[in-house]
Amino acid sequence: DIQMTQSPSSLSASVGDTVTIACRASQSINNYLNWYRQKPGKAPELLIYGASSLQSGVPSKFSGSGSGTDFTLTISSLQTEDFATYYCQQSSSTPLTFGGGTKVEIK
Amino acid sequence: EVQLVESGGGLVQPGRSLRLSCATSGFTFGGYAVTWVRQAPGKGLEWVGFIRSKTWGGTTEYAASVEGRFSISRDDSKSIAYLQMNSLKTDDTAVYYCSRYNTTWFDYWGQGTLVTVSS
Repeated sequence: DIQMTQSPSSLSASVGDTVTIACRASQSINNYLNWYRQKPGKAPELLIYGASSLQSGVPSKFSGSGSGTDFTLTISSLQTEDFATYYCQQSSSTPLTFGGGTKVEIK
Repeated sequence: EVQLVESGGGLVQPGRSLRLSCATSGFTFGGYAVTWVRQAPGKGLEWVGFIRSKTWGGTTEYAASVEGRFSISRDDSKSIAYLQMNSLKTDDTAVYYCSRYNTTWFDYWGQGTLVTVSS
């Protein structure tokens, strides 16, 4: 199974800040990497697919990069609705696996 | 508008069975795979399994933690997917989400349904 490791597990930031979340795969997954945001009590929402493609309707302040085993999600100009938990997920092979999540909290 | 709505959750005793439904609308259901993802209270997301579209054989794959106990099926005529859960364990307690699996990503999700396994 491919293990997905996110770092940090949590971070504190202020409105307007830019933050970066890292995700590392235990083996190469090419660009089969997706990012989701989950607000408290809500279902996850797709932000980025294929490592760097922005899902329709998602603001351009979200960006993804990386290939192989190392990936990043960058969120610029944090707004209150962005204080949530973010997950990476690989689709290179089954079982599909998620990272443990990164909780972005208000400083 | 694409919509997925889960139902069928509730309280069930260990060892018993439960069937969840995922009713969909707003897209050509038969053209997509459907996946189930769960989230235990206070924990992260865990993929449960998926069912491919009939075009890709309608085959299923499952996480090891549910293999042999859970099964996914689909009724393309009703645009509904099902998750049959047998021999439930307390560790299966979670919110269960269905999602449309588009190429290699989960692009639309339902609101989730809570399954509590307890005596």
